[in-house]
Amino acid sequence: EVHLGESGGGVIQPGGSLRLSCAASGFSFSDHDMHWVRQATGKSLEWVAVIGSTGNTFFADSVKGRFTVSRDNGDNTLYLQMNNLRPEDTALYFCVRGPAAGLNLGDLFLDSWGQGTLVTVSS
Amino acid sequence: VSMTQSPVTLSVSPGERVTLSCRASESVSYNLAWYQQHPGRAPRLLIYAASTRATGVPARFSGSGSGSEYSLTISNLQSEDFAVYYCQQYNRWPPITFGQGTRLDIK
Repeated sequence: EVHLGESGGGVIQPGGSLRLSCAASGFSFSDHDMHWVRQATGKSLEWVAVIGSTGNTFFADSVKGRFTVSRDNGDNTLYLQMNNLRPEDTALYFCVRGPAAGLNLGDLFLDSWGQGTLVTVSS
Repeated sequence: VSMTQSPVTLSVSPGERVTLSCRASESVSYNLAWYQQHPGRAPRLLIYAASTRATGVPARFSGSGSGSEYSLTISNLQSEDFAVYYCQQYNRWPPITFGQGTRLDIK
């Protein structure tokens, strides 16, 4: 069974940094694209970033230059490094699996979701 | 690509059939997915490639459409189907984009 477990959320002041982690199990982690998607309370879903199975990365304009995404295939862990945080980054951050080699195939639907970790940016 | 869902809220009775709509600002060439989200829970993939049900999704869920217009139909509504539904395009990216959601309420 696919399991994605996020951690690292918390309350942080504007301008601060936070690193989210996502521990994956139940599937061949290295074969799959991995995404971060966020959701502010009461709002819709907002895609944040993706890292492909080959390590290529793409970001939403709202976080480009401030967030980086990485993965450790040996440890089956996904990371999101968030710098220069803003109040508008406040949201529940989901770690999400995409299909195997989805970026190469143009398949960027999101087939398994973690439960999320809450990030609050406030002074 | 901007995604617009309608209606925003829909009140229906169990056992009924309902159709939710999703319109893209340009053609997304069947690169369209639907998700279900219950309060306090993570979203769940229902449909991808406009009409392909994800693993384990009941047959009462069906997706259709083409170009920039898509729909999700739920037949014989069950109590567990009352949730928020989102559409998402992945034709032109980054970014992949979601609609604002349709909330399905029990009448």
